[in-house]
Amino acid sequence: QVQLVQSGAEVKKPGASVKVSCKASGYTFTSYGINWVRQAPGQGLEWMGWISAYNGNTNYAQKLQGRVTMTTDTSTSTAYMELRSLRSDDTAVYYCARDRSVATGDFDYWGQGTPVTVSS
Amino acid sequence: DIQMTQSPSSLSASVGDRVTITCRASQSINYYLNWYEQKPGKAPKLLIYAASSLQGGVPSRFSGSGSGTDFTLTISSLQPDDFATYYCQQSHSSSYTFGQGTKLEI
Repeated sequence: QVQLVQSGAEVKKPGASVKVSCKASGYTFTSYGINWVRQAPGQGLEWMGWISAYNGNTNYAQKLQGRVTMTTDTSTSTAYMELRSLRSDDTAVYYCARDRSVATGDFDYWGQGTPVTVSS
Repeated sequence: DIQMTQSPSSLSASVGDRVTITCRASQSINYYLNWYEQKPGKAPKLLIYAASSLQGGVPSRFSGSGSGTDFTLTISSLQPDDFATYYCQQSHSSSYTFGQGTKLEI
């Protein structure tokens, strides 16, 4: 069965970086893209960006351009999201989600979420 | 970016009710509209993709409709398990966006 398993909770200081991993199993990793979505406490969902696991092409949300980098390691079927220059408003649960189809752009499988807390 | 506006933001209903949630896009998105359900402390779950296609394993009481700028998610007969927050998401532009969510309460 398809599973996306994310790394554990992180606590970071303002200005630091965080790197969250998302290990995929149960499907051919390079056949699908991975999206990253975050959710601040009590707030809605915010799309952060997408990476093709096939060729590493990326598409980032404009507000995060320059601070976020998404990568994949096809040898371990793992996607990574690194966010730099952390601020308190980056405190959120970060999710990875599989892009079911480029044609429809919906997310059919999600990781369990990784809480990231940014606090001095 | 394409803005997605859901209404209402919250909704009180009872088991057995028919419920409709609306999602409006700031510009035409054809049928590139997806719906998710999220329960507290859990990841979102895909319900409907491409405006009206039911994701596998999702009960048939859920349905979606619409195209262009106006879309609806309908739950034909609310069950206790359906009390959650619902989000729409557009995938027409390369910069995806979500609606602000609709919290469905008892």
